[in-house]
Amino acid sequence: ETGVTQSPTHLIKTRGQQVTLRCSSQSGHNTVSWYQQALGQGPQFIFQYYREEENGRGNFPPRFSGLQFPNYSSELNVNALELDDSALYLCASSNLRGLGQETQYFGPGTRLLVL
Amino acid sequence: AQTVTQSQPEMSVQEAETVTLSCTYDTSESDYYLFWYKQPPSRQMILVIRQEAYKQQNATENRFSVNFQKAAKSFSLKISDSQLGDAAMYFCAYRTGGSQGNLIFGKGTKLSVKP
Repeated sequence: ETGVTQSPTHLIKTRGQQVTLRCSSQSGHNTVSWYQQALGQGPQFIFQYYREEENGRGNFPPRFSGLQFPNYSSELNVNALELDDSALYLCASSNLRGLGQETQYFGPGTRLLVL
Repeated sequence: AQTVTQSQPEMSVQEAETVTLSCTYDTSESDYYLFWYKQPPSRQMILVIRQEAYKQQNATENRFSVNFQKAAKSFSLKISDSQLGDAAMYFCAYRTGGSQGNLIFGKGTKLSVKP
């Protein structure tokens, strides 16, 4: 069974640029959630994708957007990067069955630094 | 809105001893799930244990067990026979019981294990 993978592992961008982060979900999972973890903090929910549609969003501006593909992999896009976007971005996959019983399994994260 | 509070920013335990990490949460829901995740320096968030709110029995996974007090909204993690590999950040997380649920994390507790 393949776990959750993310790419790239590290990324350096400058303010105003755009970035795309990628996540491959665990085999058998249909849902991907994205979280932002600032240094010394717990992860904050960005949004969730279920069967290629957004299925909930946290308190993040519209310049944070996402996609989920038919194979359930996902992308997180951030436009007009700001210094405060520097963080660890975590992807978690799960098998949402409408019962609220699923557990989210996390990837290793992408460390983004905005200069 | 639900909140999760971890009041111990750092804890230390001697190898082979027992340590308890605290977590409290605030919610008006009756159906929800609670989790403890471990995040070592490698950054990957690893599931330690999960508790369904409707279950009165406390969850146990090998050396890890929880003390779930629903009325007090308390969810502590006990680690028995601590090992050097247990050193990590530990996050308590809350998930709503609905069909769409994101995780709400506490700020974490950094656990050090002394040889």
